[in-house]
Amino acid sequence: QSVLTQPPSASGTPGQRVTISCSGGNSNIGSNTVNWYQQLPGTAPKLLIFNNNQRPSGVPDRFSGSKSGTSASLAISGLQFEDEADYYCGTWDDSLSGRGVFGGGTKLTVL
Amino acid sequence: EVQLVESGGVFIQPGRSLRLSCAASGFTFDDYGMQWVRQAPGKGLEWVSGLSWNAGTIAYADSVRGRFTISRDNAKNFVYLQMNNVRDDDTALYYCVRSMTLAVSGPSDYWGQGTLVTVSS
Repeated sequence: QSVLTQPPSASGTPGQRVTISCSGGNSNIGSNTVNWYQQLPGTAPKLLIFNNNQRPSGVPDRFSGSKSGTSASLAISGLQFEDEADYYCGTWDDSLSGRGVFGGGTKLTVL
Repeated sequence: EVQLVESGGVFIQPGRSLRLSCAASGFTFDDYGMQWVRQAPGKGLEWVSGLSWNAGTIAYADSVRGRFTISRDNAKNFVYLQMNNVRDDDTALYYCVRSMTLAVSGPSDYWGQGTLVTVSS
């Protein structure tokens, strides 16, 4: 049971806009910034969005993040076949002496 | 180029101990916190442990606290994960991860390729 809650799956067709939600609580999303990671099949995760809405160098502006209260979301516009991957939200949790936490992951299928 | 190379993953029996190592290069090691994140076969990511740039702040997941110990050697650019009394559910690919900041709690901006730990009798 993950501390952060994500839908297990999402899908869209090329060119569409899809969003993935991430829900938490006051001790994690409510108190800290949210990061998003993309994991392509058979590879290590890659930082996609940090500090709620910042993109690392090289990440296309098709990817965007937002946060409100104890929830966050990742939006992907102009969906491409290469976006098919697992997406994870993550943040810090201030409870129990502090720890990192992730969502359970969302498998995005591009139809 | 930032590189994180893990080693030490093995096939091991429950109750035994092992140490994972992570060799870091391509950046000023003691300017960053470091973390270990694991992924069981076919499952999601689980944060395991992390420490700040000078090991002044160390944190563990509940599932490993008291059994695992994280440490770092800033002179050698290494981070370690000592795993004692391993259990079947410790079976996973263990990633060495760099925190984007000095703190343990920063975004995980670089990931190694992982080292596989399999626990089974």
